[in-house]
Amino acid sequence: AQSVTQLDSHVSVSEGTPVLLRCNYSSSYSPSLFWYVQHPNKGLQLLLKYTSAATLVKGINGFEAEFKKSETSFHLTKPSAHMSDAAEYFCVVSAVYQKVTFGTGTKLQVIP
Amino acid sequence: EAGVTQFPSHSVIEKGQTVTLRCDPISGHDNLYWYRRVMGKEIKFLLHFVKESKQDESGMPNNRFLAERTGGTYSTLKVQPAELEDSGVYFCASSQDSRGYEQYFGPGTRLTVT
Repeated sequence: AQSVTQLDSHVSVSEGTPVLLRCNYSSSYSPSLFWYVQHPNKGLQLLLKYTSAATLVKGINGFEAEFKKSETSFHLTKPSAHMSDAAEYFCVVSAVYQKVTFGTGTKLQVIP
Repeated sequence: EAGVTQFPSHSVIEKGQTVTLRCDPISGHDNLYWYRRVMGKEIKFLLHFVKESKQDESGMPNNRFLAERTGGTYSTLKVQPAELEDSGVYFCASSQDSRGYEQYFGPGTRLTVT
């Protein structure tokens, strides 16, 4: 069994300040973890993925996430928010031959 | 390279009617997935095709939903008859890897049942 919890449904940051979107997971297997972003009226876009290689994963648009097994976390960060980062973000867990499980999503608001 | 496309982008139907959603995966991707997001809830898996075969349809909510993928290319998801609780956004995704890694998602079809 596996599950994923996104701890914040909404996050609001000022432009130019750091972004932190929190995600905790549970899995009976060695999981792979993903972050997807959905901009309004667009499809889900893969930001980054962890698949048992380096625990610090760098993605597109300056985002990165760190896999912490001891804390069962995979938080998404970005040093400086941009207006174009405003979107909904989904943390996803998967294990080999397991179904993908999505978190409930975090809406990021960026204030000018 | 074209991405995953879905049609229509939005559909409004009355309870009891039939709706068919279509998904065109990325060319060459054998794996095709359907997901659904009901308002305020998480995105949930519906089913997984490998080519034209249903690999896993454990997420299909009931027998009012029928998915097909004739010829292993595009897929359709038919809801018949539609109920109010079927409203939501239906996403399609495709991947080359059957393990489910790096799925490419379409923009979704927003279904509203009134």
